[in-house]
Order: sequence, then structure tokens, then C-alpha cells
Amino acid sequence: QKEVEQDPGPLSVPEGAIVSLNCTYSNSAFQYFMWYRQYSRKGPELLMYTYSSGNKEDGRFTAQVDKSSKYISLFIRDSQPSDSATYLCAMSAREYGNKLVFGAGTILRVKS
Amino acid sequence: DTEVTQTPKHLVMGMTNKKSLKCEQHMGHRAMYWYKQKAKKPPELMFVYSYEKLSINESVPSRFSPECPNSSLLNLHLHALQPEDSALYLCASSQDGPSGYTFGSGTRLTVV
Repeated sequence: QKEVEQDPGPLSVPEGAIVSLNCTYSNSAFQYFMWYRQYSRKGPELLMYTYSSGNKEDGRFTAQVDKSSKYISLFIRDSQPSDSATYLCAMSAREYGNKLVFGAGTILRVKS
Repeated sequence: DTEVTQTPKHLVMGMTNKKSLKCEQHMGHRAMYWYKQKAKKPPELMFVYSYEKLSINESVPSRFSPECPNSSLLNLHLHALQPEDSALYLCASSQDGPSGYTFGSGTRLTVV
């Protein structure tokens, strides 16, 4: 079993839809949770960073962490064609020595 | 300056060549990283430098040699690579700790 599971998709939605992206994990030591967006042939761009459990909102993006269920989510409201990209979840813990453990990445396509 | 700058953006090299990838950040981050990313896969950690000292080497072959000349610069020296080493090489930096990294745009390496 992988430490972090993420459905690779692709996920195809119409413009304006609410998008839900999810990851599950097995290691209860994870404390730091991140979502990255990666456009083709570019480096990953940090979208959201959350420490421990809870919700965090930034514009059209909301990140949720449920440590009891070992489940994290990213919601995108009013999705746009420019949101079409690969979304990577990542997580870490102090004892990992700054190492991030990535999910496989979900390909999102927003159709206009 | 909130960027991680990588040069060159593209590199084609023969299996007998020696080349270097360069990475620079001026955000005062004390941790710097090299990741390797194959197509449609998440980034894989290669090396971590913390306070200019190598803290993690993920069993990377010796044909990859990292160097951290100072807190702002990170190099990856390449020698006698194989075609399967062709990939996107990503540099990243972070504050001390596993909070969200800032990634560079990467160097797309092709070994012929």
C-alpha cells in the first residue's frame, strides 16, 4: 500500500463546476499537508498549505484536512479552463527530515 | 524575490558528457532540494540540503553529484548518465522544516 493514495483521473468537468480532489494516507505521523498545481512542462506551484487538521480558504480554493479519517481534500469553486492542470497532494512530518511524500497527481480538465 | 530560478531550462547531453544544473533562490530559505520527475509521475526526492549540509541522499546513483556552494545556490553535477535518466529535474527550497516548498520551473534533461 502506498503511503499516499490519489486517483490519477483524468477528471473532466464543465466550466463553473465545483471540483473536489482528494487524497488518503496511511501514516498518522503526517502533520503538514499541501496541494500543488502543475501545468504541463512546468514545476509544481504551491496552492495551499495546512498544518494539522482543519479548513483553509484562499479565493476559489478550499483545503480540508481530516486527520481522524486520514483524508484531505481540495475544492475549487467556479472552475475555469485555466484550472486545467495536474493537482498533486503532498504531506510530511518532522521526522521525515523535510521530505515530501506526494500522491500520484490528478489530471483535471475544465471544459469551456 | 519569491522565485527559485533553474538553469538551463533544457539540456541535451550524451552519455559521456559532464554537465551541471544550477538552482538559485534569494528568499532566505535554509533547505534546498533536488527532485526528479518522469512524465505523468509525481516528483521523486533525490537530495536535501539543510543549512548547506547534505541531510538526505535517497540512494541516488553516484553519476549524480550535488553541491551547495552557499545558502542561495544548489548545483547538480551530471556525469556518464543513461538514457533512462532523461526527466524533468526540479529544484525547490523551503524555510527550515517541511512546510510548503517553492519549486523552480525545472530543467528538462534528455540523455542521448
